[in-house]
Amino acid sequence: AQSVAQPEDQVNVAEGNPLTVKCTYSVSGNPYLFWYVQYPNRGLQFLLKYITGDNLVKGSYGFEAEFNKSQTSFHLKKPSALVSDSALYFCAVRDIGSARQLTFGSGTQLTVLP
Amino acid sequence: NAGVTQTPKFQVLKTGQSMTLQCAQDMNHEYMSWYRQDPGMGLRLIHYSVGAGITDQGEVPNGYNVSRSTTEDFPLRLLSAAPSQTSVYFCASSRALTRGTNEKLFFGSGTQLSVL
Repeated sequence: AQSVAQPEDQVNVAEGNPLTVKCTYSVSGNPYLFWYVQYPNRGLQFLLKYITGDNLVKGSYGFEAEFNKSQTSFHLKKPSALVSDSALYFCAVRDIGSARQLTFGSGTQLTVLP
Repeated sequence: NAGVTQTPKFQVLKTGQSMTLQCAQDMNHEYMSWYRQDPGMGLRLIHYSVGAGITDQGEVPNGYNVSRSTTEDFPLRLLSAAPSQTSVYFCASSRALTRGTNEKLFFGSGTQLSVL
């Protein structure tokens, strides 16, 4: 079985400060990991993914995520937050060896305060 | 390039009514799926398809039917709507979810469904 947890329902950060949105996962094999963002009244948009290789993955809009196998985490980060980054962020995982579909986390609402 | 198109955007049903949510993609994607989004629960997979003529159940399939007669279309049918099916529904597509492929999901803009 595969699962993903986003421990924070809400993250608030001041504009210009660094932001982190947390994600931990559980798979029996090796993971494919993804971050998606949802703006109000819109569908989800792909931000970045980890398949193999470098543990630090760079994605769209200046976001990056760090894969940590020992902590089974894939936290989303950005060095300097913008008000326009305010949105709902979803982490997702797929077990490379066994699963055909993604499992999504419950989402974290990021609010960047001006 | 339209991407993934969902219709309708909004729908109100009475308990027991049936309806079909339409989803079409123009990217020649093999994989298509339906999710429902509920507050605090993220996205849950209803049904998915890995190609025309092939469908399978996801996490929450009860009360929903799907078919995939063409690569482009993947309609979701509610046979007898219940208030528990009030949700936002998203269709998504991707190239085939196989090892090592450059996979990412493309989502439609969603259908907000209320069942009274």
